[in-house]
Amino acid sequence: RKEVEQDPGPFNVPEGATVAFNCTYSNSASQSFFWYRQDCRKEPKLLMSVYSSGNEDGRFTAQLNRASQYISLLIRDSKLSDSATYLCVVMVRSNDYKLSFGAGTTVTVRA
Amino acid sequence: DGGITQSPKYLFRKEGQNVTLSCEQNLNHDAMYWYRQDPGQGLRLIYYSQIVNDFQKGDIAEGYSVSREKKESFPLTVTSAQKNPTAFYLCASSVNTGFHEQYFGPGTRLTVT
Repeated sequence: RKEVEQDPGPFNVPEGATVAFNCTYSNSASQSFFWYRQDCRKEPKLLMSVYSSGNEDGRFTAQLNRASQYISLLIRDSKLSDSATYLCVVMVRSNDYKLSFGAGTTVTVRA
Repeated sequence: DGGITQSPKYLFRKEGQNVTLSCEQNLNHDAMYWYRQDPGQGLRLIYYSQIVNDFQKGDIAEGYSVSREKKESFPLTVTSAQKNPTAFYLCASSVNTGFHEQYFGPGTRLTVT
């Protein structure tokens, strides 16, 4: 079983729509959770951390459900510039801290 | 400007040849990482380094080698022993290995034929 699993999508949505997707993780000892954004053929960049109480950053809302071992990302009022692949990232500490990356969920916002 | 540079952006090699990918950072970060990304898969950790002159194997180190002689530099050599070397290689750095935000370089697309 993969450590981090995501629905690859693509999620095709019109501008202004709301889109949401989840990510599940297998290691119950996972300590920290993040969403990274990756544009086509570019490097990933940190979008936001995910806190236990849930958190917002502008149009983006992230939630964590430790009991069910998933995190979610919701994008409100989608913009064309939100078109990207969103990587779910989980940090686990074993001998050292390690980031595990999901394969990504692709979102395409159309005019 | 602070950041991470990788060169070259595209690299083509014949099977059986070793190739070295460059990664340089001027962020004064202690930790550096090498990942590979294949279509439909998450990033997989090849090697990481917490400090100069020290590095650790990641999940898929076989067929790769690294060095960390300077804080700013963490080159990756893809050897002929790597069975499937064609991939997108990403270098990253962070303040230290306990700091979650990793800054990535623009990547090198390696094609081996």
